[in-house]
Amino acid sequence: DIQMTQSPSSLSASVGDRVTISCRASQSISSFLNWYQQKPGKAPKLLIYTASRLESGVPSRFSGSGSGTDFTLTISSLQPEDFATYYCQQSHSIPYTFGQGTNLEIK
Amino acid sequence: QVQLQESGPGLVKPSETLSLTCTVSGGSVSSDNYFWTWIRQPPGKGLEWLGYIYNSGNTYYNPSLKSRVTVSVEASKNQFSLKLTSLTAADTAVYYCARYYSGGNKYCFDSWGQGNLVTVSS
Repeated sequence: DIQMTQSPSSLSASVGDRVTISCRASQSISSFLNWYQQKPGKAPKLLIYTASRLESGVPSRFSGSGSGTDFTLTISSLQPEDFATYYCQQSHSIPYTFGQGTNLEIK
Repeated sequence: QVQLQESGPGLVKPSETLSLTCTVSGGSVSSDNYFWTWIRQPPGKGLEWLGYIYNSGNTYYNPSLKSRVTVSVEASKNQFSLKLTSLTAADTAVYYCARYYSGGNKYCFDSWGQGNLVTVSS
């Protein structure tokens, strides 16, 4: 199985901050990397697919980059509704796997 | 806009079989490019892909579940289902149904149900 490792596991930030979350795959996954946002008690929501493509309806302050084994999710200017848990997920090979999550909290 | 809705029990006894159904509206389980998926999340933990089915009936499962999982589709009702056998407390989780899009430059879970909490306890 491909292991996905996110860093940090938790992060405190303020509204307006620029935030970066990293995701590393245990082997190359090309650009088959997706990012999801999950709020408490809710299902995950797709933000970014294929490493850098913004899902329709997702604000442009979210962006993704990377390829191979190292990927990044950036939120350019945090808004109050962005405080949530973020997961990366690889679609390179079955079984599809997720990172352990990054909990983004208000400072 | 497609919507997915899980239905099934909230409490199941150890060693029994869990059966969950996902009803799809605003889209068809027979559509090309979509794989109909089950994912679970133990309380306070991360996400685990269980398996999915394509409209042709082809299924793909997470090997970690060995032979305990079965995903099936009932096109006439626009539903798909999960069966998980030999339950233990470790199977306690929120179970999500989701749609996986596969095509072009997009390979991801783009729509999710709201989730169904299943507790395994006697």
